[in-house]
Amino acid sequence: DGGITQSPKYLFRKEGQNVTLSCEQNLNHDAMYWYRQDPGQGLRLIYYSQIVNDFQKGDIAEGYSVSREKKESFPLTVTSAQKNPTAFYLCASSNPLILPGELFFGEGSRLTVL
Amino acid sequence: QQPVQSPQAVILREGEDAVINCSSSKALYSVHWYRQKHGEAPVFLMILLKGGEQKGHEKISASFNEKKQQSSLYLTASQLSYSGTYFCGTPQYVGGATNKLIFGTGTLLAVQP
Repeated sequence: DGGITQSPKYLFRKEGQNVTLSCEQNLNHDAMYWYRQDPGQGLRLIYYSQIVNDFQKGDIAEGYSVSREKKESFPLTVTSAQKNPTAFYLCASSNPLILPGELFFGEGSRLTVL
Repeated sequence: QQPVQSPQAVILREGEDAVINCSSSKALYSVHWYRQKHGEAPVFLMILLKGGEQKGHEKISASFNEKKQQSSLYLTASQLSYSGTYFCGTPQYVGGATNKLIFGTGTLLAVQP
């Protein structure tokens, strides 16, 4: 079945540590996105990528980094520079050739900083 | 800028109707609607296109007023399964065919028996 796989589902981190969240898709979508969700604040865009080897900052990119070396993969690193990293992280993909494209989401990764 | 949704929360009895509104300070070319159940990923409901038809999904329909930069989601004869948080999303085109989607603040809908 086609879809988006995020891992891990739950992650605990000590302050000062970097962590990487995995996002893999087999939908053959060109565009991929990372959103952060906090209670009562909806979904906020961290980074997005239109194509392999290219990505752009979203609205809250500070303290995060991404890479897009393969079409299928768009990992997100939460660095120690992110002041408040505890949140629910959602990865999504879409086919930008179909305007405007429906977003397909992964199941999410819940990060807790201890 | 983030679209604004209203109301923030609504509680219904099964069979009642509800309307969720989404407004933007920027011109809208299309509006997405998604529903998210607690602890799960958002699920796509529908897209409304500028100049397009009103779309429907089960007993959920929506309208799109381009001039007012608003969209409304109509839930008719609500069922328990409609409970969740509803988000509207407005694409911001950043070049080429990219639909960078900005989501609204969300509306929590709770349907009670």
